[in-house]
Amino acid sequence: DIVMTQSPDSLAVSLGERATINCKSSQSVLFSSNKKNYLAWYQQRPGQPPKLLIYWASTRESGVPDRFSGSGSGTDFTLTISSLQAEDVAVYYCQQYYSTPHTFGPGTKVDIK
Amino acid sequence: EVQLVESGGGLVKPGGSLRLSCVGSGFSFSNAWMSWVRQAPGKGLEWVARIKSKNDGGTTDYAAPVKGRFTISRDDSKTTLYLQMNSLKTEDTALYYCTTHRDTKYGGYYWGQGSLVTVSS
Repeated sequence: DIVMTQSPDSLAVSLGERATINCKSSQSVLFSSNKKNYLAWYQQRPGQPPKLLIYWASTRESGVPDRFSGSGSGTDFTLTISSLQAEDVAVYYCQQYYSTPHTFGPGTKVDIK
Repeated sequence: EVQLVESGGGLVKPGGSLRLSCVGSGFSFSNAWMSWVRQAPGKGLEWVARIKSKNDGGTTDYAAPVKGRFTISRDDSKTTLYLQMNSLKTEDTALYYCTTHRDTKYGGYYWGQGSLVTVSS
């Protein structure tokens, strides 16, 4: 199974400042034939189901604000919130869908400082 | 708009059984690969099982903790996904989410609201 890790476990950022979350997979999730990284990011607000933010590691889902961006390839990935807003308080998860089980990272909790 | 609506959760004793259902709409259900993901209270996300479309063989995959106890299935005529859960354990207590891939087979997941399963004596 591919093990996903995230860092930090939690972070507190001032409104308008940048938040950066890292995700690492125990093996590459880059599919060589199509050069795509099988990696997604989700936002989960309290009491809500997860919401898809980013897929293929860097493609923003329709309707997701452009302050959210994803980067990375192979085994190392980053989710960046360029200017934190109050509504961004949530837990963020990465997930690989390269092979089953489609494992998730443990989550990173983002709060306002 | 993709919609996934789960039902069937509830309170069950250890060793008991329960069947979850998920009705999908707003996408090509018969072509979609579907999965169940669960979240124990206050914990992270755990992938449970996946079923491919019948066109892709209808094959199933399971997470190790549920293999041999849970069965994922689908009825495309009813656009419904199922999860039959047998020999339930207290550690199966969780909110169970029905999901489908954004791009039918790949891409990230779209999620339902979840169905709560509580296993307790």
